[in-house]
Amino acid sequence: EAQVTQNPRYLITVTGKKLTVTCSQNMNHEYMSWYRQDPGLGLRQIYYSMNVEVTDKGDVPEGYKVSRKEKRNFPLILESPSPNQTSLYFCASCRLMGGVTGELFFGEGSRLTVL
Amino acid sequence: QQQVKQSPQSLIVQKGGISIINCAYENTAFDYFPWYQQFPGKGPALLIAIRPDVSEKKEGRFTISFNKSAKQFSLHIMDSQPGDSATYFCAAQRRRGSARQLTFGSGTQLTVLP
Repeated sequence: EAQVTQNPRYLITVTGKKLTVTCSQNMNHEYMSWYRQDPGLGLRQIYYSMNVEVTDKGDVPEGYKVSRKEKRNFPLILESPSPNQTSLYFCASCRLMGGVTGELFFGEGSRLTVL
Repeated sequence: QQQVKQSPQSLIVQKGGISIINCAYENTAFDYFPWYQQFPGKGPALLIAIRPDVSEKKEGRFTISFNKSAKQFSLHIMDSQPGDSATYFCAAQRRRGSARQLTFGSGTQLTVLP
């Protein structure tokens, strides 16, 4: 089954404790991206990757890091989480066709609470 | 700065009625306009999309109307059903450097009453 898998789905942590949210896709997609969803703000892009070892900032990258060492994986790293990073996070992937992104496939989300 | 403005924030419709969600944008560089549907506890999924060279696209009960001069587009759900109850996001895509970026609206929570 084609899917984007995120882990953990739920996490409660404390300020300053480093955490990683993993994302893996089995569709051989070149493009992967992280979004955060907050009430009234919709989905905002954190980071994206066009291919292995190619990453770039989205609209709200502060406080986050990513890496793309393998095509299928795109982990999101919070080096020192703060309460304003409490949110619902989504990983997404899609094919690139001539540099144009197609339909985005989303994971089921990771709800993060930072105390 | 919200590049894609979506309204209403929430919408309640009776079964069989028409649901209408509106979006507006400012940046004329946007050239692809998808709508995503999100059920509780799930990630968004592509519902329907349109390019600005057409004014309307219909897929079953779902229709996108696009007004390029007004920089507005809307989603119409005909004969709304309780199973359509979900959050709907409009989005707009543009080129950003070597990539393309998708900007989402703030979302509309639709409830269809039985």
